Amino acid sequence: GENVEQHPSTLSVQEGDSAVIKCTYSDSASNYFPWYKQELGKRPQLIIDIRSNVGEKKDQRIAVTLNKTAKHFSLHITETQPEDSAVYFCAATTNAGKSTFGDGTTLTVKP
Amino acid sequence: GAVVSQHPSWVICKSGTSVKIECRSLDFQATTMFWYRQFPKQSLMLMATSNEGSKATYEQGVEKDKFLINHASLTLSTLTVTSAHPEDSSFYICSAHSVSGSGNEQYFGPGTRLTVT
Repeated sequence: GENVEQHPSTLSVQEGDSAVIKCTYSDSASNYFPWYKQELGKRPQLIIDIRSNVGEKKDQRIAVTLNKTAKHFSLHITETQPEDSAVYFCAATTNAGKSTFGDGTTLTVKP
Repeated sequence: GAVVSQHPSWVICKSGTSVKIECRSLDFQATTMFWYRQFPKQSLMLMATSNEGSKATYEQGVEKDKFLINHASLTLSTLTVTSAHPEDSSFYICSAHSVSGSGNEQYFGPGTRLTVT
């Protein structure tokens, strides 16, 4: 089955700095890679996603890159703000919609 | 956007009793729904894949006789935790895969927090 590894497990940055979270996956059948932000006690919220036929996608301060050959993808947050503090999960998803999640990264943005 | 609801949002039950959790897609049809369990400070772990009109597919290590899943229609899937024990206390989240979606997006419900005393 699919195996997704996510690093780092915790990340602390100063407000205004950039944050990068990296994930690797193992199953070449995965073709959709969403990133979720989860606040305590709440459902995961999709913040950005990328499909396997695209190498990079950007949405304001958030960007995701995908290297399909190397089977890794990354989340980049620029100009971080305290409200960006949360747990972030990457996932690798198959055509059937089945997702395997990384273990999560706790991001803390210090004001 | 696509909306998925879950009911109840939280439940406390006594050890040995059964609890049913409902997952509904409110404005779209979902051929497939997924049930996840999330323990504190851990990731979402897929428990089972629920397909409308057929038996659910369970992940390795998940007891199908303990976690009963029924997907009776394209908008409703239920998870019943039978003979619940304190170790079953967790955050249960469903997600629905849209039939008419352009790809393989899934939409999460708000989650159900189960506490077994």
